[in-house]
Amino acid sequence: AQSVTQLDSQVPVFEEAPVELRCNYSSSVSVYLFWYVQYPNQGLQLLLKYLSGSTLVKGINGFEAEFNKSQTSFHLRKPSVHISDTAEYFCAVSDLNAGNMLTFGGGTRLMVKP
Amino acid sequence: DGGITQSPKYLFRKEGQNVTLSCEQNLNHDAMYWYRQDPGQGLRLIYYSQIVNDFQKGDIAEGYSVSREKKESFPLTVTSAQKNPTAFYLCAITWGQGPFGYTFGSGTRLTVV
Repeated sequence: AQSVTQLDSQVPVFEEAPVELRCNYSSSVSVYLFWYVQYPNQGLQLLLKYLSGSTLVKGINGFEAEFNKSQTSFHLRKPSVHISDTAEYFCAVSDLNAGNMLTFGGGTRLMVKP
Repeated sequence: DGGITQSPKYLFRKEGQNVTLSCEQNLNHDAMYWYRQDPGQGLRLIYYSQIVNDFQKGDIAEGYSVSREKKESFPLTVTSAQKNPTAFYLCAITWGQGPFGYTFGSGTRLTVV
């Protein structure tokens, strides 16, 4: 079975600083990777996804992520965060054997301070 | 929420009562999922359905029941057998068998009073 590990449960950062949210997965077969964002009392919104091709994926709100197959990682980055980026971020993965089902990480709470 | 609607947004239940959460979609997606979210615990899969009239248990199905009589609807019933039902419940949909990701509803917060 697949597993997804988000190494940090909370990441505090000052406004306008860069941030990296880490995600590692366990699958050794071809994978598809996703990052979602959740604002308080709302559902999850898709930030970006990697299906194939370029390993650097750009998403909404200035976020990007890099797929690293050798390290089985898909870390999310933003060069300069805003207060409005304060939210919970979830990494998810599926593979060829999983069809359309996703396995989610435990989430990382990004807390942007003024 | 892009064609997926969860209702109600807030729900209060007395202990010992069953309660049903609604999830409706108009995107003609095949697969529908129910997740439970507790503070600091991420998402846990309760039930999912890939086609009408068929559904499968997820990781924490005990105390819950579902039905999939129509493609558009996948209601979740939280029964009195669920010992700790207070949580945020999320419905998600996707289509086909490919890696298309999920579209989520806005969630229902259930509180036992």
